[in-house]
Amino acid sequence: EAGVVQSPRYKIIEKKQPVAFWCNPISGHNTLYWYLQNLGQGPELLIRYENEEAVDDSQLPKDRFSAERLKGVDSTLKIQPAELGDSAVYLCASSSTGDEQFFGPGTRLTVL
Amino acid sequence: DAKTTQPTSMDCAEGRAANLPCNHSTISGNEYVYWYRQIHSQGPQYIIHGLKNNETNEMASLIITEDRKSSTLILPHATLRDTAVYYCIASPLSGSARQLTFGSGTQLTVLP
Repeated sequence: EAGVVQSPRYKIIEKKQPVAFWCNPISGHNTLYWYLQNLGQGPELLIRYENEEAVDDSQLPKDRFSAERLKGVDSTLKIQPAELGDSAVYLCASSSTGDEQFFGPGTRLTVL
Repeated sequence: DAKTTQPTSMDCAEGRAANLPCNHSTISGNEYVYWYRQIHSQGPQYIIHGLKNNETNEMASLIITEDRKSSTLILPHATLRDTAVYYCIASPLSGSARQLTFGSGTQLTVLP
């Protein structure tokens, strides 16, 4: 069974530029999560989808961050414009039963 | 969500049992205890979870005290590949999904 796929694995951009991250969850998983992980800290939830509906986006900074999950499968997380403080690892996870979340390898973003 | 407290770091000799403690003295009745680990440059990986009873799977054992205020994750025969950050999480249900609030975890280093 293929795991959660994320791309790109690494991204370096200059501040004020836009950036997008893509996630393909495990087939059949209806719940999808985006997390942000700063260096030396645990992941923090940004948004959770149940199928195509964002059911928890309370921690998503909506002035510059946006996300979508069209057709309830793949998802894209976008930052526009990026700031220096956005440098972090962005993790995607998916689950089916809710008991166990499967995480992708993450996208490491560096904003210069 | 109940806060969990873990030691910042621990060492363990290869082949010996690794016992990772976690304090969750304010855990509520509907919160499960979850353990995840994160190997360097990878996404978190589910290990085990439990509510009241002790649990065992192919990776580890989870011992929860009778008053549920603390727990211990046991890796029976630690290997070098078990070197990782281990997260203990008290997780409530949020809708149909488990809500994971990660702390800073315990850095376990398995020594040869």
